[in-house]
Amino acid sequence: AQSVTQPDIHITVSEGASLELRCNYSYGATPYLFWYVQSPGQGLQLLLKYFSGDTLVQGIKGFEAEFKRSQSSFNLRKPSVHWSDAAEYFCAVGPSGSARQLTFGSGTQLTVLP
Amino acid sequence: GAVVSQHPSRVICKSGTSVKIECRSLDFQATTMFWYRQFPKKSLMLMATSNEGSKATYEQGVEKDKFLINHASLTLSTLTVTSAHPEDSSFYICWGGREGGEAFFGQGTRLTVV
Repeated sequence: AQSVTQPDIHITVSEGASLELRCNYSYGATPYLFWYVQSPGQGLQLLLKYFSGDTLVQGIKGFEAEFKRSQSSFNLRKPSVHWSDAAEYFCAVGPSGSARQLTFGSGTQLTVLP
Repeated sequence: GAVVSQHPSRVICKSGTSVKIECRSLDFQATTMFWYRQFPKKSLMLMATSNEGSKATYEQGVEKDKFLINHASLTLSTLTVTSAHPEDSSFYICWGGREGGEAFFGQGTRLTVV
């Protein structure tokens, strides 16, 4: 069975500081990996996704993530955080090949200090 | 890009009444629609999977008679919460999938049962 672990429930960083959100997955085949962001009371917005190819993926809003198969990780990074980045971030994994359900991590709440 | 439009975004209903949530794929045919529920401070949990023209497949623990899902066309799937109770208050999100792995989230519906 597939699973996703986001070990950090809550992270606080200062505006302008760098950010890394951790995501580890368990999956028996080639995974599709996603990062979503959710602002309070809002739906989910896709930040980036990895299907294949270059393991460093660029997303929207200056985010990037690196797929490391040997570590079963897909950590999200941003070099300089903005106050508007405060939100909840979800990592998700799904099977490749067709539209199937995603398994989500429990989320990481990001607080940005001025 | 492809969009899944979900309505309403917020709804307040009285206990015992039914509420219908719609998800429409605007510029693609969603052969599969997934319905998720998000509890406060929790990750998204898959409720059911619906395929156009066939019965929905519900996850374990989800009441079929309470959460009625209809996927009558390739562009419309509906979730009806029947005889709603306060414990049904939650954030419901649909996710429309198509062949090739691409799928898109609706904006979500905040249901409050009073």
